[in-house]
Amino acid sequence: EAGVVQSPRYKIIEKKQPVAFWCNPISGHNTLYWYRQNLGQGPELLIRYENEEAVDDSQLPKDRFSAERLKGVDSTLKIQPAELGDSAVYLCASSERTSGRAGDTQYFGPGTRLTVL
Amino acid sequence: GENVEQHPSTLSVQEGDSAVIKCTYSDSASNYFPWYKQELGKGPQLIIDIRSNVGEKKDQRIAVTLNKTAKHFSLHITETQPEDSAVYFCAASNQYTGNQFYFGTGTSLTVIP
Repeated sequence: EAGVVQSPRYKIIEKKQPVAFWCNPISGHNTLYWYRQNLGQGPELLIRYENEEAVDDSQLPKDRFSAERLKGVDSTLKIQPAELGDSAVYLCASSERTSGRAGDTQYFGPGTRLTVL
Repeated sequence: GENVEQHPSTLSVQEGDSAVIKCTYSDSASNYFPWYKQELGKGPQLIIDIRSNVGEKKDQRIAVTLNKTAKHFSLHITETQPEDSAVYFCAASNQYTGNQFYFGTGTSLTVIP
């Protein structure tokens, strides 16, 4: 079974430029998560989707970050414009079941390492 | 919200020795506790998890213990091998937060051959 796929793996941009990350979750997984992982830290949730609905985006900086999951499968996370502080690894994860339950294993992709110069 | 603390931040052990990583959590509603291993340049991979109705779980050389009263849980790796070297993260979640995982800050484990 294919795991969570993310692209690109690395991205270097100058500040104020836009950038987009793409995620393809494990087939059949309804729930998709975007996390940001700063150097030396654990992942922090940015947004969670159940199918195509963003059910938790409370930690997404909405002035510059946006995300979509139009058909409830692939997802794109965008930053516009990027700032120096956005340099981090952006991780996508997926799990099989939907809300109201704890303990659904989250499977992570390899991440996109973003460097903003 | 939930706050997960993890110790130590770095750990070096000789090959064959045991390694123990400890985490505490603040939200008594948390009831699911996974442990992830992250190798350089890769995403976190689940290695073991435990639910609040269980006090201990083992999988070969890896074990996790949970003390709900004290709100802490630990990862135990026995007979460590060089390939165990990685960063390990604990996490906590509950259904009231929609399965959001709150991660610790990670432990960098080095197994010295």
